[in-house]
This record gives sequence, C-alpha cells and structure tokens, in this order.
Amino acid sequence: DAGVTQSPTHLIKTRGQQVTLRCSPKSGHDTVSWYQQALGQGPQFIFQYYEEEERQRGNFPDRFSGHQFPNYSSELNVNALLLGDSALYLCASSLGQFRNEQFFGPGTRLTVL
Amino acid sequence: DQQVKQNSPSLSVQEGRISILNCDYTNSMFDYFLWYKKYPAEGPTFLISISSIKDKNEDGRFTVFLNKSAKHLSLHIVPSQPGDSAVYFCAGALTGGGNKLTFGTGTQLKVEL
Repeated sequence: DAGVTQSPTHLIKTRGQQVTLRCSPKSGHDTVSWYQQALGQGPQFIFQYYEEEERQRGNFPDRFSGHQFPNYSSELNVNALLLGDSALYLCASSLGQFRNEQFFGPGTRLTVL
Repeated sequence: DQQVKQNSPSLSVQEGRISILNCDYTNSMFDYFLWYKKYPAEGPTFLISISSIKDKNEDGRFTVFLNKSAKHLSLHIVPSQPGDSAVYFCAGALTGGGNKLTFGTGTQLKVEL
C-alpha cells in the first residue's frame, strides 16, 4: 500500500525564482493538503484540495498556489521566492475533505538562496 | 498568534518510565485534537486523537487527556521505549472542518536506556 509520496526530496532555488512541488496521495485518498514547516516550528497549513478545487486556505499570500489533478495528485507552486520560503513542505492526504486525521509524506526540503 | 502551544521544547525520560507531553491551546473553537510523531527525514505520523466530548482516549501505551476548562491536553506514554524518541506535535482542529490542522511547535522526546 503506497503511502504519500513527494518529489523532489530536496530543492535549491534563488530569490525571485518559481518552484513546483509534487505530491501523490496515499492510495484511495482523494483530498490533499499542503503544509509549510519552518525550522523549529510546527507545520503550518497552506491549503487543501478536493475535487480539483481549493477548499480551504491558510494565511499564505497569493504567491502560493496549487492544483489537483483528476488522479488526485497535487502540485504546490510558489512564485517570486523569498529567503523566508525556505522550509520543509509537507503534503498530507485523507479520504474525504472533512477528515481531521491525515497521512503525511516525507516532505520536500526547499532552500532559497 | 500561537493558537497551540507546546512549551517544553525537549523532554528526556528513562526507558520504562512514563513520558508526559503537554499542550495548551487558546482557540476555544477547537473541538478535536491530534498528536503526531515525527522522526527525522520522515513526515509526521498520526498517533492518537481526542474529541472534545471526551476527556480521555487510550490506545495501547498512549493515552491522551483533555481538560477543556484549562484548554490543556497531555499525551502519556507508558512504558516509554527507545523507539519513542521523536518530535511530538499536538494539533487542534474543528470537527468536520476539513484538513486544516493547527500545530504546536513540537516537543523532542528522548527515551534513554
């Protein structure tokens, strides 16, 4: 049973660039959420996708956008990267958009120089 | 505004003894709470949860206690094992509120032989 997978594992970008992170949910799950975990902090909710639409959004600027595909996989896009965007980006999946319990992937470590 | 607080960044316990991890919250709208465990280079793993209609939930060696009047919850691990050494995150949520979890900053538990 495949868990949540994310790619790439690590990524280095420079300020002003754009980045796309990818996530495949756990088999059978249809809802994907993205979280940002800065060093020494807990994960912070970015947004949730269900039925290919953004359903909930945390306190993140419009530079953060996403997409969900018909196969339930998802992308997180960040434009105009700032140094402060350096963090671990976690993808989580669940069955149904109202479930609190989620399965997390290992994350993508983004470093912005 | 830190709505979920874990005031102890680290905790060291001897193998076989009880580990008690604490969490406080300020958002009185939260009615569902979860604990996640995170090993290095892995995503958070769901451990146990509790609804606000209960004051205790038990699963094997793990028990979560909720004191709504004090807006406080705790996770008890008995007996503690070396494999329990990890970062533990407490999270608050709204039942049926979707995937949005609000995490604390985590407590690093070290179980020593």
